[in-house]
Amino acid sequence: DQQVKQNSPSLSVQEGRISILNCDYTNSMFDYFLWYKKYPAEGPTFLISISSIKDKNEDGRFTVFLNKSAKHLSLHIVPSQPGDSAVYFCAANTNAGKSTFGDGTTLTVKP
Amino acid sequence: DGGITQSPKYLFRKEGQNVTLSCEQNLNHDAMYWYRQDPGQGLRLIYYSQIVNDFQKGDIAEGYSVSREKKESFPLTVTSAQKNPTAFSLCASSIDSGQGVYHGYTFGSGTRLTVV
Repeated sequence: DQQVKQNSPSLSVQEGRISILNCDYTNSMFDYFLWYKKYPAEGPTFLISISSIKDKNEDGRFTVFLNKSAKHLSLHIVPSQPGDSAVYFCAANTNAGKSTFGDGTTLTVKP
Repeated sequence: DGGITQSPKYLFRKEGQNVTLSCEQNLNHDAMYWYRQDPGQGLRLIYYSQIVNDFQKGDIAEGYSVSREKKESFPLTVTSAQKNPTAFSLCASSIDSGQGVYHGYTFGSGTRLTVV
């Protein structure tokens, strides 16, 4: 049973527009959510996180929204840049600290 | 510069052979993790360690073993029981298992293991 799902394997947007990446989870015990960015043949890089007691966290061009009742979170990138092209992983944690990852969404930002 | 070093970057294993993947960090992090990424899939937890001389199995521990004799080092041994033909294994660390929740993990650049 996959507890963290990213239902869109890929997303393509035009440079300057908004990118919205989505993630759904099933385990109500998750209390922190994180987004990572990964380039080919490299390890993921931590991007932004949000606590389950918040509904929004913003860091520059990146904003994460959390809808606890729907068990859904999303990552907004505005404006999108070609350098944002990468695989984005959603992850969820319980207080034990282990992360459960989604399958990733490949974002392509076209110039 | 602080970080996590994984070696080798590529490794070939013969069937029936055990191999060990190295993971070293100089971040003074307490917790360390091993994840595997299969094609088109997310990262799945193999083993994790929150302190020296202690470690726990993750979701896909079969065919793997680890040790944590030093804070800086968390080597992963892939045994002949591990049937996956190709795998991209990632080592990660966090300040402690709690801080990993807030700041995320620091990952190494990965080791690609192929069975020949």
